Amino acid sequence: LAKTTQPISMDSYEGQEVNITCSHNNIATNDYITWYQQFPSQGPRFIIQGYKTKVTNEVASLFIPADRKSSTLSLPRVSLSDTAVYYCLVAYTSDYKLSFGAGTTVTVRA
Amino acid sequence: DVKVTQSSRYLVKRTGEKVFLECVQDMDHENMFWYRQDPGLGLRLIYFSYDVKMKEKGDIPEGYSVSREKKERFSLILESASTNQTSMYLCASRRGTSSYNEQFFGPGTRLTVL
Repeated sequence: LAKTTQPISMDSYEGQEVNITCSHNNIATNDYITWYQQFPSQGPRFIIQGYKTKVTNEVASLFIPADRKSSTLSLPRVSLSDTAVYYCLVAYTSDYKLSFGAGTTVTVRA
Repeated sequence: DVKVTQSSRYLVKRTGEKVFLECVQDMDHENMFWYRQDPGLGLRLIYFSYDVKMKEKGDIPEGYSVSREKKERFSLILESASTNQTSMYLCASRRGTSSYNEQFFGPGTRLTVL
């Protein structure tokens, strides 16, 4: 059974870089990794997606090593408004299963 | 602006009641999903639908059923609500059938079963 795991929580301070690693041992070549952000009383929203090497957008970067058994979401210079729960999702093309991690609560302090 | 709406933000029901949770999307998406979200467990897929009148079981379908009579609407039904179904329920939609396409989520319905 495919399983996606991530740390339960992380604390940081404003201006620091936050890195959240997601483990996905059963990932296949064409399976994508997607990260979502969720604020209280809202549904998750898309942040970034990739399937190899590195992807960067205006919000975050996603690093995927060659073996693809894990991936790291990087949030540069966080602010208080980045306090949220971050979910890693792997979409498995082999059986079309969607495997969400349990979520990482990131708390940014002043 | 794309939108997924859910019929209620908060709902309180009694054990044994039949409960309907409604979800509507305005993006003409083919795929729609129902998840439940519990502390420490993240999002778990209950059911999903690839298109109108089509449905597939997710990871935790027991105690639930779904209906998709129109493309924009996906309903989750609790035939006989139980206290262990107290949870946050999230609906999502997605364009096309590519598993990597972005999902758009509604705000959630917090259901309490007494």
